[in-house]
Amino acid sequence: GAGVSQSPRYKVAKRGQDVALRCDPISGHVSLFWYQQALGQGPEFLTYFQNEAQLDKSGLPSDRFFAERPEGSVSTLKIQRTQQEDSAVYLCASSLMGDEQFFGPGTRLTVL
Amino acid sequence: AQSVSQHNHHVILSEAASLELGCNYSYGGTVNLFWYVQYPGQHLQLLLKYFSGDPLVKGIKGFEAEFIKSKFSFNLRKPSVQWSDTAEYFCAVGGSSNTGKLIFGQGTTLQVKP
Repeated sequence: GAGVSQSPRYKVAKRGQDVALRCDPISGHVSLFWYQQALGQGPEFLTYFQNEAQLDKSGLPSDRFFAERPEGSVSTLKIQRTQQEDSAVYLCASSLMGDEQFFGPGTRLTVL
Repeated sequence: AQSVSQHNHHVILSEAASLELGCNYSYGGTVNLFWYVQYPGQHLQLLLKYFSGDPLVKGIKGFEAEFIKSKFSFNLRKPSVQWSDTAEYFCAVGGSSNTGKLIFGQGTTLQVKP
């Protein structure tokens, strides 16, 4: 079966541009997570959805970061006015009921 | 504060050597514990997990980990590594009563020499 997919796989943005990163979770998975992974570090939690409800956004680093999952399936992470410190790999994970998380390949964002 | 600490950042072993990667955590409450692996060019995959019960858990590819509650540790072991085990290994902790949000350590890069 299909795993978690993310697009684009690579994104280069000029500082100040807005970007949108897409996540397609495993079909039927209720929970969806976004993580940010800086070079040489482990993933850091950004936000969590249960179906379409965003239940935890405590990890979003600033109000420039926004995530949505309007129909409880596909999710989009949007970053406005990108800064160089936003350069990282953005990982999406889904799980059936919040137990084992299945990760996508990530989107590598480079902000110039 | 909730945190996970992996003591070894970069480990180099020869094939057939034994492996132990350290992981300690700081977390209030009952925890779920995980080891994830990321092979070169691939995405994060679950190696093994501990939720409750027997503190010695076995995962895929001959890996095992032991949960020692008194030491807040969940070390990963493998008796005999192979070249194909070359990868980055992440320990992670999540609360058993929360949403499933995971806190990861910074990872250990394992290089196995043939």
